[in-house]
Amino acid sequence: AQSVSQHNHHVILSEAASLELGCNYSYGGTVNLFWYVQYPGQHLQLLLKYFSGDPLVKGIKGFEAEFIKSKFSFNLRKPSVQWSDTAEYFCAVRGAGTASKLTFGTGTRLQVTL
Amino acid sequence: GAVVSQHPSWVICKSGTSVKIECRSLDFQATTMFWYRQFPKQSLMLMATSNEGSKATYEQGVEKDKFLINHASLTLSTLTVTSAHPEDSSFYICSARPPYGLAGVHDTGELFFGEGSRLTVL
Repeated sequence: AQSVSQHNHHVILSEAASLELGCNYSYGGTVNLFWYVQYPGQHLQLLLKYFSGDPLVKGIKGFEAEFIKSKFSFNLRKPSVQWSDTAEYFCAVRGAGTASKLTFGTGTRLQVTL
Repeated sequence: GAVVSQHPSWVICKSGTSVKIECRSLDFQATTMFWYRQFPKQSLMLMATSNEGSKATYEQGVEKDKFLINHASLTLSTLTVTSAHPEDSSFYICSARPPYGLAGVHDTGELFFGEGSRLTVL
């Protein structure tokens, strides 16, 4: 069975600070990896995804994530956070193949202060 | 992007009553929808996969008779919490995956989520 671990439960940063949120997964085969974001009072929405190719993927709003297969990791990064990045961030993994289920991590609450 | 909408956004009910939550895909047809449950400060847990025209597939540990899922059309799935109890209080979220080629998006497994429905059972 696949699982996802997010180590940071609550992160507080000042504006302009750099961000890195950890995500590790366990799965025995090829995976598809996702980061979703949930802004206060809004739906979950996709931030970025990795399926194949360049392990460094870029998403919306200046976010990027790097897939390191040897470490089973897919950490989310942003060089300079903004107050508007305050949200809950979820890492998710799915075994490659359309029938596979999406498994979420426990989420990381990011709070950006002015 | 594709839009998924849930109704109601929040509901309060008495213990022992049943509550129905609707999930609609507004601008695409979804043969498959997913129902998740989220406890405070915890992750989204997949409850079941709703299949249009057939029975839902439930995850281990989810009671089929308690959480009734009906996917009667390509744009609507409903979750009915029967004989609700306080421990059923939670945030229920549905999601759906658009078919290949919608708005130029490949079927890469991206799910679109509803806004969630908060259930409080007194």
